[in-house]
Amino acid sequence: EVQLVESGGGLVNPGGSLRLSCAASGFSLSSYSMNWVRQAPGKGLEWVSSVSSSSSYIYYADSVQGRFTISRDNAKNSLYLQMNSLRAEDTALYYCARKRSREGGSSAPDFDYWGQGTLVTVSS
Amino acid sequence: EIVLTQSPATLSLSPGERATLSCRAGQSVSTYLAWYQQKPGQAPRLLIYDASNRATGIPARFSGTGSATDFTLTISSLEPEDFAIYYCQQRSNWPSTFGQGTRVELK
Repeated sequence: EVQLVESGGGLVNPGGSLRLSCAASGFSLSSYSMNWVRQAPGKGLEWVSSVSSSSSYIYYADSVQGRFTISRDNAKNSLYLQMNSLRAEDTALYYCARKRSREGGSSAPDFDYWGQGTLVTVSS
Repeated sequence: EIVLTQSPATLSLSPGERATLSCRAGQSVSTYLAWYQQKPGQAPRLLIYDASNRATGIPARFSGTGSATDFTLTISSLEPEDFAIYYCQQRSNWPSTFGQGTRVELK
């Protein structure tokens, strides 16, 4: 059974940093591109960042470019999101999501499996 | 970026009725469009990918049609568990974008 479990969320001051993790099981992480998608409280879904299976291709939303860094460790079956210079508008539930297709590491994704999310709150 | 506009914002229906949800893209996305269902407190669930393909385990009452800029998700006969928010999403271009959602509520 495919499982994605996020951790690392919490309350942080504006300008602070946080590192999110996603532990994957039930499939070979090294075969799939992985993603972070967020959802502000009561709002819709926003794609944040993607990393291809071997980390050759990395993409960011304009809203986080230069502040967030996505990475992965296939040997540890884990995905990460380093979040720096956090702003109030980054407050959201952050989901780890698997790209449905194993083909085309440079192509934009849709998402077949999602974790339950980890909540990030940026507030003083 | 490609803007996806969903309509209506809210659909009030009864169990057994047919639900028709629309998603319009600001430019052509070919058939690279997906639909998701989200219930309160849950992660989104993939229903349809590439405009018309049902994801694994999705009941046949869910169907998707469309291409280029106009897409439709149809639920042929609403079950009690289908009342939720539905999002469309395009993967034609970076950045991948989502529509704002359509809430299907109990009438």
